[in-house]
Amino acid sequence: EVQLVESGGGLVQPGRSLKLSCAASGFTFSDYNMAWVRQAPTKGLKWVASISYGGNNTHYGDSVKGRFTISRDNAKSTLYLQMDSLRSEDTATYYCARHYVYYGSPYFDYWGQGVMVTVSS
Amino acid sequence: DTVLTQSPALAVSPGERVTISCRASETVSTLIHWFQQKPGQRPTLLIYLASNLESGVPARFSGSGSGTDFTLTIDPVEADDTATYYCQQSWNDPLTFGSGTKLEIK
Repeated sequence: EVQLVESGGGLVQPGRSLKLSCAASGFTFSDYNMAWVRQAPTKGLKWVASISYGGNNTHYGDSVKGRFTISRDNAKSTLYLQMDSLRSEDTATYYCARHYVYYGSPYFDYWGQGVMVTVSS
Repeated sequence: DTVLTQSPALAVSPGERVTISCRASETVSTLIHWFQQKPGQRPTLLIYLASNLESGVPARFSGSGSGTDFTLTIDPVEADDTATYYCQQSWNDPLTFGSGTKLEIK
């Protein structure tokens, strides 16, 4: 059974940093691209960042580019999101999601339960 | 960015047929996917690549469309289908989601 379990969320002051983790199990982690998607309270879903299966290629949304870093440790089957220079607008539930690629076309097929990040003084 | 427009809310009775629309601001080919999110839960995949039913999803759910206009159909609707439904495109960069359609079962 595919499982994605996020951790590392919490309350942080504006301008500070936080690192999220996503522990994967039930599949060969190193075979899949992975992503982070966030959801502000009472709002919709927004893609944050993606990383290739080997970790060599990363891609970011404009709102986090230069502040967030996505990475992975395939030996530990874990995905990370380093969040620096946090702003109040980064307050959201952050989901880890697996990219499945079907004949070259990607989509998110599994999601974690989410972890809450609150940026406030 | 590709904007996906969804109607904000719908209310239907159990047993009825409901269609949820998603209109893209530019072509996305058939790279539209549909997710269901129940209150307090994670999103789950229903339909991928516009019309393919994800494994384990009831056949009451179906998807159609290409280019800029897409539809998610639930027939018949059940009480457990109360949720917000999101479309998402992966044709253009960046990946974007619709704002969601909240489905209420009367």
